[in-house]
Amino acid sequence: DQQVKQNSPSLSVQEGRISILNCDYTNSMFDYFLWYKKYPAEGPTFLISISSIKDKNEDGRFTVFLNKSAKHLSLHIVPSQPGDSAVYFCAASARNYGQNFVFGPGTRLSVLP
Amino acid sequence: KAGVTQTPRYLIKTRGQQVTLSCSPISGHRSVSWYQQTPGQGLQFLFEYFSETQRNKGNFPGRFSGRQFSNSRSEMNVSTLELGDSALYLCASFSTGTMNTEAFFGQGTRLTVV
Repeated sequence: DQQVKQNSPSLSVQEGRISILNCDYTNSMFDYFLWYKKYPAEGPTFLISISSIKDKNEDGRFTVFLNKSAKHLSLHIVPSQPGDSAVYFCAASARNYGQNFVFGPGTRLSVLP
Repeated sequence: KAGVTQTPRYLIKTRGQQVTLSCSPISGHRSVSWYQQTPGQGLQFLFEYFSETQRNKGNFPGRFSGRQFSNSRSEMNVSTLELGDSALYLCASFSTGTMNTEAFFGQGTRLTVV
């Protein structure tokens, strides 16, 4: 049973436009959410996180929105750049589960020049 | 500040053998977690260590084990290798031992079992 879902395996966006990556979760115990970017043959790179006490967190071109009632979060990248092309993973954790992140299956973002 | 270092980067082993992978966390980080990434299963949590103690364990068979040393370096061991163990093994370190902090990943060890 997948506790963290990313229903879009891939997404293509034109350079300069907004990229919106979505993530849904089922476990209501999750209270901390993160987004990671991954290039082939490299480890995931942390992008941005959000605690369940917030509904938005912004860092430069990256904004994460959290809708607790819908158990949904999204990552907005504005403006999208070709270097953003990578696989994006959503991850979630709960205080009671320690540093155990549950990852989604990932969404491959392609930013077209 | 050096990042998370994993060795070796690539490894080829035969079924039935055992393997040990190493991870050196970021200096000052005391918490280390291990993940397995496969095309079919994505990133799956193996175990987490903090101050030389296993604090959390994922749903993997007992063939997968790990440990952490006093300098926070960690190793994971897989015994009696199976073809399905072929994967990218990722180590992550954390800035504190408390909850809700981001993980910094190494580049991983690509294990191929033939």
